[in-house]
Amino acid sequence: DVKVTQSSRYLVKRTGEKVFLECVQDMDHENMFWYRQDPGLGLRLIYFSYDVKMKEKGDIPEGYSVSREKKERFSLILESASTNQTSMYLCASRGPRPNEQFFGPGTRLTVL
Amino acid sequence: KQEVTQIPAALSVPEGENLVLNCSFTDSAIYNLQWFRQDPGKGLTSLLLIQSSQREQTSGRLNASLDKSSGRSTLYIAASQPGDSATYLCAVSPHFNKFYFGSGTKLNVKP
Repeated sequence: DVKVTQSSRYLVKRTGEKVFLECVQDMDHENMFWYRQDPGLGLRLIYFSYDVKMKEKGDIPEGYSVSREKKERFSLILESASTNQTSMYLCASRGPRPNEQFFGPGTRLTVL
Repeated sequence: KQEVTQIPAALSVPEGENLVLNCSFTDSAIYNLQWFRQDPGKGLTSLLLIQSSQREQTSGRLNASLDKSSGRSTLYIAASQPGDSATYLCAVSPHFNKFYFGSGTKLNVKP
Protein backbone atom coordinates (compact mmCIF):
# COMPACT_ATOMS: atom_id res chain seq x y z
CA ASP A 1 0.00 0.00 0.00
CA VAL A 2 1.57 3.25 -1.13
CA LYS A 3 2.04 5.86 1.51
CA VAL A 4 2.76 9.50 2.01
CA THR A 5 3.12 10.35 5.67
CA GLN A 6 3.35 13.71 7.37
CA SER A 7 5.04 14.17 10.72
CA SER A 8 2.15 15.82 12.53
CA ARG A 9 -1.62 15.98 12.08
CA TYR A 10 -2.04 19.05 14.26
CA LEU A 11 0.54 21.66 15.25
CA VAL A 12 0.25 24.85 17.30
CA LYS A 13 3.11 27.36 17.17
CA ARG A 14 3.76 30.92 18.28
CA THR A 15 4.43 33.87 15.99
CA GLY A 16 8.12 34.09 15.15
CA GLU A 17 8.91 30.43 15.79
CA LYS A 18 10.75 28.36 13.21
CA VAL A 19 8.52 25.51 12.08
CA PHE A 20 9.44 22.28 10.30
CA LEU A 21 6.86 20.15 8.50
CA GLU A 22 8.13 16.77 7.38
CA CYS A 23 6.85 14.55 4.59
CA VAL A 24 8.02 11.04 3.76
CA GLN A 25 7.03 8.83 0.82
CA ASP A 26 7.85 5.18 0.30
CA MET A 27 7.26 4.93 -3.47
CA ASP A 28 10.69 6.05 -4.70
CA HIS A 29 9.04 9.01 -6.46
CA GLU A 30 11.23 11.80 -7.78
CA ASN A 31 8.57 14.53 -7.60
CA MET A 32 7.28 15.87 -4.30
CA PHE A 33 5.07 18.86 -3.55
CA TRP A 34 3.93 21.09 -0.71
CA TYR A 35 0.51 22.76 -0.89
CA ARG A 36 -1.53 24.81 1.50
CA GLN A 37 -5.30 24.55 1.55
CA ASP A 38 -7.52 27.40 2.72
CA PRO A 39 -11.32 27.67 2.64
CA GLY A 40 -12.56 29.14 -0.62
CA LEU A 41 -9.07 29.18 -2.16
CA GLY A 42 -8.47 25.51 -2.92
CA LEU A 43 -4.97 24.09 -2.86
CA ARG A 44 -2.12 26.40 -3.74
CA LEU A 45 1.37 25.17 -4.56
CA ILE A 46 4.14 26.44 -2.28
CA TYR A 47 7.18 24.52 -3.58
CA PHE A 48 7.95 21.36 -5.43
CA SER A 49 11.04 19.22 -5.87
CA TYR A 50 11.85 17.04 -8.87
CA ASP A 51 14.97 15.43 -7.45
CA VAL A 52 17.23 15.38 -4.41
CA LYS A 53 18.47 18.91 -3.65
CA MET A 54 16.40 20.28 -6.56
CA LYS A 55 13.46 22.61 -5.89
CA GLU A 56 11.25 25.09 -7.66
CA LYS A 57 8.99 27.80 -6.34
CA GLY A 58 5.29 27.36 -6.71
CA ASP A 59 2.65 30.07 -6.69
CA ILE A 60 3.03 31.23 -3.07
CA PRO A 61 6.63 30.61 -1.87
CA GLU A 62 6.98 33.78 0.22
CA GLY A 63 7.72 33.04 3.86
CA TYR A 64 8.59 29.38 3.17
CA SER A 65 11.64 27.36 2.25
CA VAL A 66 12.14 23.66 1.58
CA SER A 67 14.77 20.99 1.93
CA ARG A 68 15.21 17.71 0.10
CA GLU A 69 18.36 15.93 1.24
CA LYS A 70 17.02 12.41 0.61
CA LYS A 71 14.69 11.20 -2.11
CA GLU A 72 12.00 10.00 0.28
CA ARG A 73 11.85 13.12 2.47
CA PHE A 74 10.69 16.64 1.65
CA SER A 75 10.59 19.26 4.39
CA LEU A 76 8.74 22.56 4.48
CA ILE A 77 10.25 25.26 6.68
CA LEU A 78 8.58 28.37 8.01
CA GLU A 79 11.54 30.53 9.00
CA SER A 80 9.48 32.86 11.21
CA ALA A 81 5.88 31.75 11.52
CA SER A 82 3.16 34.33 11.16
CA THR A 83 -0.58 34.16 11.85
CA ASN A 84 -1.39 34.29 8.12
CA GLN A 85 0.40 30.97 7.74
CA THR A 86 -2.32 29.25 9.78
CA SER A 87 -3.59 26.69 7.31
CA MET A 88 -3.83 23.02 6.29
CA TYR A 89 -0.58 21.87 4.69
CA LEU A 90 -0.67 18.94 2.29
CA CYS A 91 2.29 17.03 0.93
CA ALA A 92 2.10 15.00 -2.28
CA SER A 93 4.39 12.79 -4.28
CA ARG A 94 4.10 11.93 -7.91
CA GLY A 95 5.26 9.01 -10.02
CA PRO A 96 6.11 9.00 -13.73
CA ARG A 97 2.48 8.62 -14.88
CA PRO A 98 0.04 11.57 -14.67
CA ASN A 99 -2.41 9.73 -12.41
CA GLU A 100 0.26 8.54 -9.99
CA GLN A 101 -0.15 11.33 -7.50
CA PHE A 102 -0.60 10.56 -3.84
CA PHE A 103 -1.33 12.92 -0.98
CA GLY A 104 -0.51 12.77 2.69
CA PRO A 105 -3.23 13.28 5.34
CA GLY A 106 -2.28 16.90 5.96
CA THR A 107 -0.97 18.95 8.86
CA ARG A 108 -3.28 21.54 10.36
CA LEU A 109 -1.00 24.32 11.56
CA THR A 110 -2.22 27.07 13.87
CA VAL A 111 0.06 30.05 14.50
CA LEU A 112 -0.94 32.10 17.55
CA LYS B 1 -2.83 32.48 -14.76
CA GLN B 2 -5.31 29.61 -14.80
CA GLU B 3 -8.43 30.11 -12.68
CA VAL B 4 -10.50 27.07 -11.69
CA THR B 5 -14.03 27.47 -10.38
CA GLN B 6 -16.32 24.83 -8.94
CA ILE B 7 -20.04 25.25 -8.61
CA PRO B 8 -21.88 24.63 -6.37
CA ALA B 9 -19.71 25.04 -3.27
CA ALA B 10 -21.98 22.65 -1.38
CA LEU B 11 -24.67 20.18 -2.35
CA SER B 12 -27.05 18.04 -0.32
CA VAL B 13 -29.02 15.26 -2.02
CA PRO B 14 -31.05 12.22 -0.95
CA GLU B 15 -29.54 8.80 -1.43
CA GLY B 16 -30.07 7.29 -4.86
CA GLU B 17 -30.10 10.56 -6.78
CA ASN B 18 -27.92 11.11 -9.85
CA LEU B 19 -25.91 14.32 -9.60
CA VAL B 20 -23.51 16.51 -11.54
CA LEU B 21 -20.60 18.54 -10.18
CA ASN B 22 -19.23 21.34 -12.32
CA CYS B 23 -15.73 22.65 -12.90
CA SER B 24 -14.77 25.54 -15.18
CA PHE B 25 -11.32 26.83 -16.12
CA THR B 26 -10.14 29.94 -17.92
CA ASP B 27 -7.24 28.67 -20.08
CA SER B 28 -7.97 25.82 -22.49
CA ALA B 29 -4.27 24.98 -22.97
CA ILE B 30 -4.22 22.08 -20.55
CA TYR B 31 -2.24 18.85 -20.28
CA ASN B 32 -4.93 17.02 -18.30
CA LEU B 33 -7.75 17.49 -15.80
CA GLN B 34 -8.18 15.43 -12.67
CA TRP B 35 -10.99 14.93 -10.18
CA PHE B 36 -10.11 14.20 -6.57
CA ARG B 37 -12.06 13.25 -3.48
CA GLN B 38 -11.15 14.56 -0.02
CA ASP B 39 -12.59 13.09 3.15
CA PRO B 40 -12.49 15.10 6.41
CA GLY B 41 -9.06 15.02 8.01
CA LYS B 42 -7.56 13.15 5.09
CA GLY B 43 -5.56 13.90 1.99
CA LEU B 44 -6.82 13.80 -1.57
CA THR B 45 -7.57 10.61 -3.49
CA SER B 46 -7.51 10.65 -7.29
CA LEU B 47 -10.81 9.56 -8.86
CA LEU B 48 -10.49 10.18 -12.58
CA LEU B 49 -7.94 11.73 -14.91
CA ILE B 50 -8.81 12.99 -18.39
CA GLN B 51 -5.98 13.69 -20.82
CA SER B 52 -6.36 16.78 -22.99
CA SER B 53 -7.05 14.61 -26.06
CA GLN B 54 -9.89 12.72 -24.33
CA ARG B 55 -13.54 13.68 -23.89
CA GLU B 56 -14.48 11.51 -20.92
CA GLN B 57 -13.41 8.87 -18.44
CA THR B 58 -15.50 6.40 -16.45
CA SER B 59 -14.89 4.48 -13.27
CA GLY B 60 -17.78 2.56 -11.75
CA ARG B 61 -20.58 5.01 -10.94
CA LEU B 62 -18.40 8.00 -11.83
CA ASN B 63 -18.14 9.64 -15.22
CA ALA B 64 -16.06 12.72 -15.94
CA SER B 65 -16.30 14.73 -19.14
CA LEU B 66 -14.03 17.39 -20.59
CA ASP B 67 -14.83 20.17 -23.05
CA LYS B 68 -11.62 22.11 -23.52
CA SER B 69 -13.05 24.63 -25.97
CA SER B 70 -15.62 25.83 -23.46
CA GLY B 71 -13.34 25.37 -20.44
CA ARG B 72 -15.63 22.96 -18.64
CA SER B 73 -15.63 19.58 -16.98
CA THR B 74 -18.38 17.72 -15.21
CA LEU B 75 -18.28 14.85 -12.74
CA TYR B 76 -21.41 12.72 -12.91
CA ILE B 77 -22.19 10.46 -9.95
CA ALA B 78 -24.87 7.85 -10.55
CA ALA B 79 -27.10 6.43 -7.83
CA SER B 80 -25.44 8.39 -5.03
CA GLN B 81 -24.75 6.71 -1.68
CA PRO B 82 -24.01 8.13 1.80
CA GLY B 83 -20.44 6.89 1.36
CA ASP B 84 -20.04 9.37 -1.50
CA SER B 85 -20.24 12.23 1.02
CA ALA B 86 -16.95 14.13 0.73
CA THR B 87 -15.44 17.20 -0.88
CA TYR B 88 -14.75 16.84 -4.60
CA LEU B 89 -11.92 18.85 -6.11
CA CYS B 90 -11.13 19.55 -9.73
CA ALA B 91 -7.51 20.18 -10.76
CA VAL B 92 -6.29 21.44 -14.12
CA SER B 93 -2.72 20.76 -15.21
CA PRO B 94 -1.00 22.90 -17.86
CA HIS B 95 2.07 20.65 -17.73
CA PHE B 96 3.33 17.61 -15.85
CA ASN B 97 4.28 19.10 -12.49
CA LYS B 98 1.80 21.94 -12.24
CA PHE B 99 -1.77 21.87 -10.96
CA TYR B 100 -4.40 24.51 -10.41
CA PHE B 101 -7.12 23.41 -8.00
CA GLY B 102 -10.67 24.57 -7.59
CA SER B 103 -11.97 25.22 -4.09
CA GLY B 104 -14.18 22.13 -4.20
CA THR B 105 -17.79 21.03 -3.89
CA LYS B 106 -18.80 19.62 -0.53
CA LEU B 107 -21.29 16.81 -1.13
CA ASN B 108 -23.64 15.41 1.48
CA VAL B 109 -25.71 12.36 0.54
CA LYS B 110 -28.52 11.82 3.03
CA PRO B 111 -29.65 8.28 3.84
